Amino acid sequence: AQSVTQLDSQVPVFEEAPVELRCNYSSSVSVYLFWYVQYPNQGLQLLLKYLSGSTLVKGINGFEAEFNKSQTSFHLRKPSVHISDTAEYFCAVSSSLTGANNLFFGTGTRLTVIP
Amino acid sequence: NAGVTQTPKFQVLKTGQSMTLQCAQDMNHNSMYWYRQDPGMGLRLIYYSASEGTTDKGEVPNGYNVSRLNKREFSLRLESAAPSQTSVYFCASSEGGRGRINEQFFGPGTRLTVL
Repeated sequence: AQSVTQLDSQVPVFEEAPVELRCNYSSSVSVYLFWYVQYPNQGLQLLLKYLSGSTLVKGINGFEAEFNKSQTSFHLRKPSVHISDTAEYFCAVSSSLTGANNLFFGTGTRLTVIP
Repeated sequence: NAGVTQTPKFQVLKTGQSMTLQCAQDMNHNSMYWYRQDPGMGLRLIYYSASEGTTDKGEVPNGYNVSRLNKREFSLRLESAAPSQTSVYFCASSEGGRGRINEQFFGPGTRLTVL
């Protein structure tokens, strides 16, 4: 079965500081990995995705993530955060085993950017 | 384009009442999904429809039914609401297609409270 672990439920960080949001997954087959962002009282919006190819994936709003197969991780990073990055971030995984369009989500990480 | 729309935005029900959550997308997508979001649990898939005329159970289907009315619309019905169904419900859609992995686009959500 697919599962996604986001170990940090809350991450406070000062404005203009770097941030890393951690995501680990479990799967024995090839996976497809996603990061979504949810701003208050809104639906989810795709930040970036890894399907194949280069393990470093760049997304919107200056975010990037690196797929590490040996560590089964897909951590999200941003070198300098803004107040507007305050939101909840979800890592999600799917695979050919479970259906390529069936996403399994982590429990989310609430990023709070402190002025 | 409105993207994915959901009605209503908020709803309060008494235990045992029934209701239908409506979802529509104007992106000509083949696949549609219903999720529920609970604190500390991320999003969990209730039902999905890979294409018009088909529906399948997700991770947490008990207590729900769905109807893929046409390509645009995918409704979620609670026949006899229970307090455990208090949650935020999200509809999503994706382009779909055999062997393809597509971004899911999310609606703004319906906040349901069952007393």
